[in-house]
Amino acid sequence: GAVVSQHPSWVICKSGTSVKIECRSLDFQATTMFWYRQFPKQSLMLMATSNEGSKATYEQGVEKDKFLINHASLTLSTLTVTSAHPEDSSFYICSARETVTSWSSYNEQFFGPGTRLTVL
Amino acid sequence: KNEVEQSPQNLTAQEGEFITINCSYSVGISALHWLQQHPGGGIVSLFMLSSGKKKHGRLIATINIQEKHSSLHITASHPRDSAVYICALTSGTYKYIFGTGTRLKVLA
Repeated sequence: GAVVSQHPSWVICKSGTSVKIECRSLDFQATTMFWYRQFPKQSLMLMATSNEGSKATYEQGVEKDKFLINHASLTLSTLTVTSAHPEDSSFYICSARETVTSWSSYNEQFFGPGTRLTVL
Repeated sequence: KNEVEQSPQNLTAQEGEFITINCSYSVGISALHWLQQHPGGGIVSLFMLSSGKKKHGRLIATINIQEKHSSLHITASHPRDSAVYICALTSGTYKYIFGTGTRLKVLA
């Protein structure tokens, strides 16, 4: 159980275009989803936290107009990188947390396989 | 100083060796997590613990709350164990605080 999928697994796009990445919880309801960015050989950096049905909370330094997050259902969150530029090239990973009913569900996140974005 | 420190940063072992990766932290925690990031980038949650010891197959995770220290052990290591192992904490909130990771390579 607790499987999270991401689509696409990789994408190459031209500078100036927008790219949408989907994150789905396949066998549980994800009240909270997280979007991370990871540069080569670096740690994950949290970009934003989204709760189903409400606006995402962005971390300091993350442009919310550039990285649009929608969490419209309990199984789907999307990240749209708008007007992508080469510096947006990175590995984007989502994670999901179940509805909190216990210590375990409060603390644990389940990660997706990631999406590698290359902007030319 | 980072809130979560891992050692070693890089580790090369021969197949069959017993491996230990250490994680020290400086904050109070709700839970400590050991994660495995495969070469392709996907992350798997190996353990979540707040006390004691957990075992799953060839993997063992221990935590000492008083010393603020955790270890991940791999017995009978295999080349397929090659990955980055990440220690992460939840401390008061649900946000993960990540260690810098330990890059493990197991040679056949």
